[in-house]
Amino acid sequence: GENVEQHPSTLSVQEGDSAVIKCTYSDSASNYFPWYKQELGKRPQLIIDIRSNVGEKKDQRIAVTLNKTAKHFSLHITETQPEDSAVYFCAATSQGVSTGGGNKLTFGTGTQLKVEL
Amino acid sequence: ETGVTQTPRHLVMGMTNKKSLKCEQHLGHNAMYWYKQSAKKPLELMFVYNFKEQTENNSVPSRFSPECPNSSHLFLHLHTLQPEDSALYLCASSAGTNSDTQYFGPGTRLTVL
Repeated sequence: GENVEQHPSTLSVQEGDSAVIKCTYSDSASNYFPWYKQELGKRPQLIIDIRSNVGEKKDQRIAVTLNKTAKHFSLHITETQPEDSAVYFCAATSQGVSTGGGNKLTFGTGTQLKVEL
Repeated sequence: ETGVTQTPRHLVMGMTNKKSLKCEQHLGHNAMYWYKQSAKKPLELMFVYNFKEQTENNSVPSRFSPECPNSSHLFLHLHTLQPEDSALYLCASSAGTNSDTQYFGPGTRLTVL
């Protein structure tokens, strides 16, 4: 099955700096890569996603890049702010039993991002 | 924030108790999921339902029993749990086709004594 590795496990940056979180995956058939942000005591929320037919996607201060050949994808946050402090999870689809619906996401172990004033 | 709801938000139970977790989605989705989130571990997929049919059981012990009466509701019945089952249980839903976004509920914080 799919295996997703995420680094670093913790990341501390100064406000205004950039933050980069990297993930690798094992299943070359994976085609959907979402990133979730989870604040303390709250649900994971999708912040950005990318599909395998695209190499890069950007949404304001957040961007994701995908290298299918190397099987890795990264989250980039620019001009970090204290409210960016949270745990970030990457995920990749893997082959589910059903081809007709639902996708089987495999998650990374998460990165605790701390933005310091 | 109200697209996927879960009750209860917190649950404390003994190892001999029987309890149920409930999830409801108001997004018109066809696929629903149960995940387990333990400290310092990745989210673990437990079950997948699509159009009320279970399509994935990720080797989950039988003390966890899911039920999906319709596309909007998902239950997780718990019995004779172990302390190591203490975790945050998250429900999610998606439209149902491959590569669709999953939306999570707030989770149930379960403590097994």
